[in-house]
Amino acid sequence: SQTIHQWPATLVQPVGSPLSLECTVEGTSNPNLYWYRQAAGRGLQLLFYSVGIGQISSEVPQNLSASRPQDRQFILSSKKLLLSDSGFYLCAWSVLSTTGELFFGEGSRLTVL
Amino acid sequence: GDSVTQMEGPVTLSEEAFLTINCTYTATGYPSLFWYVQYPGEGLQLLLKATKADDKGSNKGFEATYRKETTSFHLEKGSVQVSDSAVYFCALTSGSRLTFGEGTQLTVNP
Repeated sequence: SQTIHQWPATLVQPVGSPLSLECTVEGTSNPNLYWYRQAAGRGLQLLFYSVGIGQISSEVPQNLSASRPQDRQFILSSKKLLLSDSGFYLCAWSVLSTTGELFFGEGSRLTVL
Repeated sequence: GDSVTQMEGPVTLSEEAFLTINCTYTATGYPSLFWYVQYPGEGLQLLLKATKADDKGSNKGFEATYRKETTSFHLEKGSVQVSDSAVYFCALTSGSRLTFGEGTQLTVNP
C-alpha cells in the first residue's frame, strides 16, 4: 500500500534561518507531488507541485523553493525565513488514475519567531 | 479560473443534530468534487467524492450529491457525533490540480 512520510512534524526557527522540510512517498511510481500551506484559521494555499523529477511549478511568488531530486522525494526549502512563513505545511501526492484525489501527509507545523 | 466557495464557519451543533455545509463551485469543463476532513493537528483525509453529475458520494454517514445545474456539492449528515468535530474542506479537481475551499470548522458538543 502507498504511504507518505513528512518530517519534521514540528519546527521552531528564528527569522532569517534556513528551512528544509522533506516528504517521501512509498508504494507508488511517478506520483504528482504537492506542497500546501495552511495559515492559522485559513484554508489551503498551493505552493508548489511537481509532475516529475526536476519539474517544479510555483503557484505563489515568495521566499520558498521546492526541489524533487528523486521520483518520490519532495523538499521544501528557504534560505531565510520570514515571520509570515509560519504555518502548517502539508505534502500530498496523487496519480492521474485516481481522478485527482490527493493523499496527504501528517503535516509539519512551522513557527518562525 | 476554478474556485470553490464554502459556507463560512465556525459551525457549532449539539450531538445528533442535522448537519449541512454548503459548497458551490466555478469550473471550466467537468470537474470531480471532493470533501476532505482535517482532524485537529493532522493532515487532510478524503471523506467522499463524486466524479460526475448526479453522483452521490457517501462515507461515515456523510453524503454529498454532485449538482451540475446548481454547481453545488453540499455536505450533509443526519446525526452528528462529537467525534465529527473537525475542519471540512470542499474541493474540485480539473486535471492534476486540486482547488480547495476555505474550510468550515465544525464543533459538536455533547
